[in-house]
Amino acid sequence: DSGVTQTPKHLITATGQRVTLRCSPRSGDLSVYWYQQSLDQGLQFLIQYYNGEERAKGNILERFSAQQFPDLHSELNLSSLELGDSALYFCASSKGTGRTGNTIYFGEGSWLTVV
Amino acid sequence: GENVEQHPSTLSVQEGDSAVIKCTYSDSASNYFPWYKQELGKGPQLIIDIRSNVGEKKDQRIAVTLNKTAKHFSLHITETQPEDSAVYFCAAIFSGSARQLTFGSGTQLTVLP
Repeated sequence: DSGVTQTPKHLITATGQRVTLRCSPRSGDLSVYWYQQSLDQGLQFLIQYYNGEERAKGNILERFSAQQFPDLHSELNLSSLELGDSALYFCASSKGTGRTGNTIYFGEGSWLTVV
Repeated sequence: GENVEQHPSTLSVQEGDSAVIKCTYSDSASNYFPWYKQELGKGPQLIIDIRSNVGEKKDQRIAVTLNKTAKHFSLHITETQPEDSAVYFCAAIFSGSARQLTFGSGTQLTVLP
């Protein structure tokens, strides 16, 4: 158990809908990262928050957004869902910003299926 | 661009044999190289990492070697066991604006009993 908690574990929704994925980082970790894992794209970095502020942005679509709350939990919002958004979404956390190689711990993922 | 290439994509070994997975990276300024193991239905788990100031690191049956000149690093698993079967990902931090982990495409390791 990495200590990173993600909910829900599985989610099935229709195209055009909006979903919210939730993440609680490990105790003491200030950074939260979101990754998308699909069969053909591997693990793709989406976005990082550090202590409530957006720190880095990767290949995140405009239809997706995220935030980190004062209690450090984070939410990833996916809207106007398309079939191609079906994937495993991972949250990860680390103590620092990650720039110098702080260990990054992954949650068990939220499996999103868009039908 | 920032890229990590990982080979092979699949690897089958007999129990007790060694397994080697190799990764090459594009940014010579990279200085942190972790390896993750992902079992079916679970998130990636860090198994070993190496920083650019060392050439090799070992942890029981697992070792990682780094060749900064050639820009490649490798994962070595000795005395493989069936529970080593999983997908292994290498990663590197690049000096681009994001400085986030970039992952290789993964290696499906199967240890045959």
